[in-house]
Amino acid sequence: AQKITQTQPGMFVQEKEAVTLDCTYDTSDQSYGLFWYKQPSSGEMIFLIYQGSYDEQNATEGRYSLNFQKARKSANLVISASQLGDSAMYFCAMRDYTGGFKTIFGAGTRLFVKA
Amino acid sequence: DTAVSQTPKYLVTQMGNDKSIKCEQNLGHDTMYWYKQDSKKFLKIMFSYNNKELIINETVPNRFSPKSPDKAHLNLHINSLELGDSAVYFCASSFGTEAGELFFGEGSRLTVL
Repeated sequence: AQKITQTQPGMFVQEKEAVTLDCTYDTSDQSYGLFWYKQPSSGEMIFLIYQGSYDEQNATEGRYSLNFQKARKSANLVISASQLGDSAMYFCAMRDYTGGFKTIFGAGTRLFVKA
Repeated sequence: DTAVSQTPKYLVTQMGNDKSIKCEQNLGHDTMYWYKQDSKKFLKIMFSYNNKELIINETVPNRFSPKSPDKAHLNLHINSLELGDSAVYFCASSFGTEAGELFFGEGSRLTVL
């Protein structure tokens, strides 16, 4: 069965520093996608970054990068130069492309950015 | 112009009532979803439709009935509401079943008293 694990319920980071949010996944599929979403206190879900299972390079989007280690089944999110507006819940998600076609989510990590 | 819109944003109702949440997307996507986010923020998929056809039906009580009149709309009807149905319900869409990211609506917060 597919599973996403986020082991950090809460994280603190100082403004302007980098932070890594951990995500491990479990799947027997060869073709899948990994995603990170941000949910601020206002409640909307914001897509941040995507990594395909066959992508050899780590994905980057502005201050966000995804540290993809396929053999270890990890897809950590790195946020560089943290800003106060980065305080939010962050969800790691996975979508399989070989039949299920559903996106499952981890339990989330709440990030607090300190001034 | 909102890409994925849900109505209503808030519902407060008594146990045993029936309620509906509507969702519309103007992105031209083929696939739409309902997710439930509980009080611990856990997001769980409930249903997915692709071009009006049900393709995902998780172990959801049959009090929940989705309906997709066309590929731009996906509604959720809930009968005989229970306290445990209190949650935020998110509608989402994607280009197709093999698409990338989900595009989410703002969520509908349902409170059952």
